[in-house]
Amino acid sequence: DAKTTQPNSMESNEEEPVHLPCNHSTISGTDYIHWYRQLPSQGPEYVIHGLTSNVNNRMASLAIAEDRKSSTLILHRATLRDAAVYYCILRDVAHGGSQGNLIFGKGTKLSVKP
Amino acid sequence: DSGVTQTPKHLITATGQRVTLRCSPRSGDLSVYWYQQSLDQGLQFLIHYYNGEERAKGNILERFSAQQFPDLHSELNLSSLELGDSALYFCASSVDGGGVETQYFGPGTRLLVL
Repeated sequence: DAKTTQPNSMESNEEEPVHLPCNHSTISGTDYIHWYRQLPSQGPEYVIHGLTSNVNNRMASLAIAEDRKSSTLILHRATLRDAAVYYCILRDVAHGGSQGNLIFGKGTKLSVKP
Repeated sequence: DSGVTQTPKHLITATGQRVTLRCSPRSGDLSVYWYQQSLDQGLQFLIHYYNGEERAKGNILERFSAQQFPDLHSELNLSSLELGDSALYFCASSVDGGGVETQYFGPGTRLLVL
């Protein structure tokens, strides 16, 4: 079962920053925090992941709380194309290949208004 | 474009029938994962193959089976179809199959059982 909690939905205005929260209070030391998103009528796509430090890539930033019990995906300037369901997923590196599958929760449906 | 291809895009069939869904992973990827997405269950992991061998099973029904061929493409066979099997079926691939590798998803096959 998914071990993360996310709001069901969020709204944002175009070109404004969006902060998508995720709670993972039972996270273990070997759990990486991954974010995937699913645009309408498409398969999920990888967004970003991290372990302890904040991470940035061309798509987003990931801010991880010091105690690692929560994290926030940051879209710096939301566009209409960012409207999607965002999934926060914990992946335990200790399990290696036998547990490589992703466990999706319900995610957060992000709506972006023009 | 993730580099993962799935055929067919759409499939309409009747209850009791059998269908085969096909997935070609990204060039160089050894792992293939199958996921089912239905309205009530969300995205659920079905099965994982690594280099031709079954690596892990999830919520896959006994009526469903899969295999990965020497050229690394994979097929998901669904038999004795029921109305409840109507769903989107995604395959994903990754380089190896480790716990934190990025998975690249195909566009999915939409199955409708009438």
